[in-house]
Amino acid sequence: AQSVTQLDSHVSVSEGTPVLLRCNYSSSYSPSLFWYVQHPNKGLQLLLKYTSAATLVKGINGFEAEFKKSETSFHLTKPSAHMSDAAEYFCVVSDLDDKIIFGKGTRLHILP
Amino acid sequence: EPEVTQTPSHQVTQMGQEVILRCVPISNHLYFYWYRQILGQKVEFLVSFYNNEISEKSEIFDDQFSVERPDGSNFTLKIRSTKLEDSAMYFCASRPPGLQGVGNTEAFFGQGTRLTVV
Repeated sequence: AQSVTQLDSHVSVSEGTPVLLRCNYSSSYSPSLFWYVQHPNKGLQLLLKYTSAATLVKGINGFEAEFKKSETSFHLTKPSAHMSDAAEYFCVVSDLDDKIIFGKGTRLHILP
Repeated sequence: EPEVTQTPSHQVTQMGQEVILRCVPISNHLYFYWYRQILGQKVEFLVSFYNNEISEKSEIFDDQFSVERPDGSNFTLKIRSTKLEDSAMYFCASRPPGLQGVGNTEAFFGQGTRLTVV
């Protein structure tokens, strides 16, 4: 069975400092992994995806994530946070079937 | 760029009334989903739909809920008798098929319908 664990419900960083949002997954097969962002009162936007190609994946707005099979992790990073990055971030796993499983989300706060 | 569209963006309904939430998936996609997000909580899976039938549903998706693809383009979620606890943001999503099943393709989400039951 698939599952996703986002280790932090809230993360606060200062503007201009690095961002790390942690995600661990459990999957029976070779999963595909995604990060989605949700700005306040908005829908879900895809940030990036891993689908068994390069393990380091670059997404929009300077975000990237690295798939580490040995650690069953897919942490999201950004070198320098911007105020506009304040949002809810969801780690999502999908297997060979059509099921999509969301993590509980991490709310990212950016301090001025 | 193709996108999933949902209507209405906001719906207020009285408890016990029926509501229909509408979604237009991306045209060449074959897999369709409904999710909901109660305010401040996680995104929860409701149902997936493929080949004109439900492929999977969660415990939340009880007899009050139904889905339909009435005309080959729209994908609707009906709640027969709404309860206060049905108040949430409802997201529709669609996915294209991939080379090895659908698992490695991204889901495209609509902007959501905010349902408020009073």
